[in-house]
Amino acid sequence: QSALTQPASVSGSPGQSITISCTGSKTDVGDYNYVSWYRQRPGEAPQLLIYDVTHRPSGVSDRFSASKSGITASLTISALQPDDEGDYYCNSYTAGPILRLFGTGTTVTVL
Amino acid sequence: QVQLQESGPGLVRPSETLSLTCTLSGDSFGTYYWSWIRQPPGKGLEWIGYIYYSGTTNYNPSLKSRVTISLDTPKKQFSLEINSVTAADTAVYFCARDVHLQFYDSWGQGTLVVVSS
Repeated sequence: QSALTQPASVSGSPGQSITISCTGSKTDVGDYNYVSWYRQRPGEAPQLLIYDVTHRPSGVSDRFSASKSGITASLTISALQPDDEGDYYCNSYTAGPILRLFGTGTTVTVL
Repeated sequence: QVQLQESGPGLVRPSETLSLTCTLSGDSFGTYYWSWIRQPPGKGLEWIGYIYYSGTTNYNPSLKSRVTISLDTPKKQFSLEINSVTAADTAVYFCARDVHLQFYDSWGQGTLVVVSS
């Protein structure tokens, strides 16, 4: 497996909630609680939003929450704001040959 | 909080070696994994590899035969070399700090490297 699977795009209106999925396998998401999420704005470096499946670093809004079930991790953005637009990536530690695996990326659009 | 800054040539000829350096400020190497990640234009993120503070390395198998990551502790720098580059190596290259192989908490701003004659 060369990448975790994410939907290409997700959209929502201001104030709504959206969820981005990140599907892996038993040797990554399914077996390790080392899933992290990042937001990348155009021309910028990714920014850490969530680590160890559910934990938010200090300074990250509590509108961002995450969970995991089996081989699928999920990021939920509640009370969607225009500033939430960007590309979102998940990442997991893996037991496979590619030790750190990124998701395919999801573009979030606020309608 | 550590700050990271990539530096190196923005243009590399095909078949030559891409060389980048990441300089740390605000902190030391500590017990972290110092990583390189790249992003081809319009595409997603790809893990290239890391070097542990002790000098241990681990690389993406798809690049392993061409990649070397090294550490210069006194200079607070770590470096990336990719040899025999092709147009497929054109990308924005990021250096980042990997915390216990669990998450990346600090990133450089990224530097675009174009492979072209």
